[in-house]
Amino acid sequence: DAKTTQPPSMDCAEGRAANLPCNHSTISGNEYVYWYRQIHSQGPQYIIHGLKNNETNEMASLIITEDRKSSTLILPHATLRDTAVYYCIVRVPGFSGNTPLVFGKGTRLSVIA
Amino acid sequence: KAGVTQTPRYLIKTRGQQVTLSCSPISGHRSVSWYQQTPGQGLQFLFEYFSETQRNKGNFPGRFSGRQFSNSRSEMNVSTLELGDSALYLCASSFSIGQAMNTEAFFGQGTRLTVV
Repeated sequence: DAKTTQPPSMDCAEGRAANLPCNHSTISGNEYVYWYRQIHSQGPQYIIHGLKNNETNEMASLIITEDRKSSTLILPHATLRDTAVYYCIVRVPGFSGNTPLVFGKGTRLSVIA
Repeated sequence: KAGVTQTPRYLIKTRGQQVTLSCSPISGHRSVSWYQQTPGQGLQFLFEYFSETQRNKGNFPGRFSGRQFSNSRSEMNVSTLELGDSALYLCASSFSIGQAMNTEAFFGQGTRLTVV
């Protein structure tokens, strides 16, 4: 089962920041937080991941609380093309190959013009 | 560089038949994972291959099988197809030698299988 809890849906106005929360209260010390998104009928797309420090890349920022029990994905200036299902996943990177991604139901983000 | 390529993109099969799906990972990637996505169950992990060996397996019946070749290309096979096998089958590749262990996975566009 997925180890994360996300709201089923959120709306965001175009041009505003989208803040997507994720609860992972049972995360263990060696588990990373990964975010993927899936635009309709496409394969999931990697967004960002982190262990305990905040991370930023060209797509988004990831804020992880100090106790690591929750995190927030921030899309700084949401566009209509950011409308997708966003998945928060915690996992331990494997040594001989990676451990699988366990997808929950995710958050369906609708960006509204 | 080229992304993950899955073939075919669409497939229609009849109950009882078998099907083979193909996945070519990103050049240099050694790990290939397969996932099934249905409206009811969402995205579910099927199995993962690394260096031609199955490293992980999800909770699917033995009708679902796979393999990986020495060039890291992978195939999955479903025998005795059932209507419930209709789904989007996704392949993801990751992990080049020398990369950190926490590397991300890159997904293909999937193969949409319809069983009639």
